Amino acid sequence: QVQLQESGPGLVKPSETLSLTCTVSGGSIRNYYWSWIRQPPGKGLEWIGYIYYTGSTKYNPSLKSRVTISVDTSKNQFSLRLSSVTAADTAVYYCARGSIGYSDIWGQGTMVTVSS
Amino acid sequence: QSVLTQPPSVSAAPGQKVTLSCSGSSSNIGSNYVSWYQQLPGTAPKLLISENNKRPSGIPDRFSGSKSGTSATLGITGLQTGDEADYYCETWDSSLSAAVFGGGTKLTVL
Repeated sequence: QVQLQESGPGLVKPSETLSLTCTVSGGSIRNYYWSWIRQPPGKGLEWIGYIYYTGSTKYNPSLKSRVTISVDTSKNQFSLRLSSVTAADTAVYYCARGSIGYSDIWGQGTMVTVSS
Repeated sequence: QSVLTQPPSVSAAPGQKVTLSCSGSSSNIGSNYVSWYQQLPGTAPKLLISENNKRPSGIPDRFSGSKSGTSATLGITGLQTGDEADYYCETWDSSLSAAVFGGGTKLTVL
């Protein structure tokens, strides 16, 4: 079955760029939307954005100026870059597969802490 | 403050039925599908309902979804202690051109 796995640094310094990769196994990255969603400690879910396998993207307006999501179909991976991070970006980051308005398969999540 | 409004907490006894609400507006719930997720403590969210009322394979029919106007509801029958979790609604907001989540409802089964 399809599985998603997030990878990347667990600690990022303020003002630097957070970079995460999601590796898709057990299925193709084609024909789906691939999202990043985050959850600050003790809080709710926040949609960051999605990329279609063709490269088309949509971002949360509140994060749009700092976010880039890209896809590498040859590696069955997609990635998140969030620039100029602050403590408010500390969260568990999830990658997920789905369509517009829902995600049916999620990664286990990776905790990213922004601290000097 | 979330675009979609969910009650922070709901409680019910084992075996009973509970309904969780999700309220929005014409630009989101009123014009797009709603999905629902269950998040058990320390785990990733799990899709329970997509497209207002569709259950993915493996989701028991104790879980049901419905939508009316600018509100959506998740129903859970035959409550079990294992249903204790946070529940989130999600939809697309056509004005924001973004996916939006509710703030989540913590379900306690006591």
